[in-house]
Amino acid sequence: AQSVTQLDSQVPVFEEAPVELRCNYSSSVSVYLFWYVQYPNQGLQLLLKYLSGSTLVKGINGFEAEFNKSQTSFHLRKPSVHISDTAEYFCAVSGGSNYKLTFGKGTLLTVNP
Amino acid sequence: DVKVTQSSRYLVKRTGEKVFLECVQDMDHENMFWYRQDPGLGLRLIYFSYDVKMKEKGDIPEGYSVSREKKERFSLILESASTNQTSMYLCASSQRGVLMETQYFGPGTRLLVL
Repeated sequence: AQSVTQLDSQVPVFEEAPVELRCNYSSSVSVYLFWYVQYPNQGLQLLLKYLSGSTLVKGINGFEAEFNKSQTSFHLRKPSVHISDTAEYFCAVSGGSNYKLTFGKGTLLTVNP
Repeated sequence: DVKVTQSSRYLVKRTGEKVFLECVQDMDHENMFWYRQDPGLGLRLIYFSYDVKMKEKGDIPEGYSVSREKKERFSLILESASTNQTSMYLCASSQRGVLMETQYFGPGTRLLVL
């Protein structure tokens, strides 16, 4: 079985500041890791995913994440956020199957002017 | 672009009613999913289908059933709606592959059960 912990339920930041959204996971098998974003009143959209290879993964909208196996983490970062990045962000893990995703509880990122 | 559509954005139903939520995808994906999303709980998988007429229970199937008669369409059924089923329901689809394939989500249906 796997689980995901998103360590912050809310992260307020100012525009153009850097941001890190934290995600830790647990799994007894090799994992695939994902970050999804949900803008207000919309469904989820994939930001980036780690399947194998380089541990630094680049996604859309200037986001990136680093897979750290020893710390079982997959933190999401952006060097300079915009107002339009205000959304809820979900970390998800899949391990041991090719379909089932386990989601974290989400982190609400609020970017203030 | 993959498109996943859901029949309603908002629904209001009464306790005991039978409720149908419809989802259609246009990318010939084998896998389709139903999740519910609740504040502070994230997304939880209700049911999954990997082919026509095939289904598997997810983490919280109680009180729900599903139907997949055609590849592009996956329906979630609440046989007798209850107030604790008030939630946001999200449908998703993905290709069947060796590796974990990306899930593509619809816009969601916000269901209120009175």
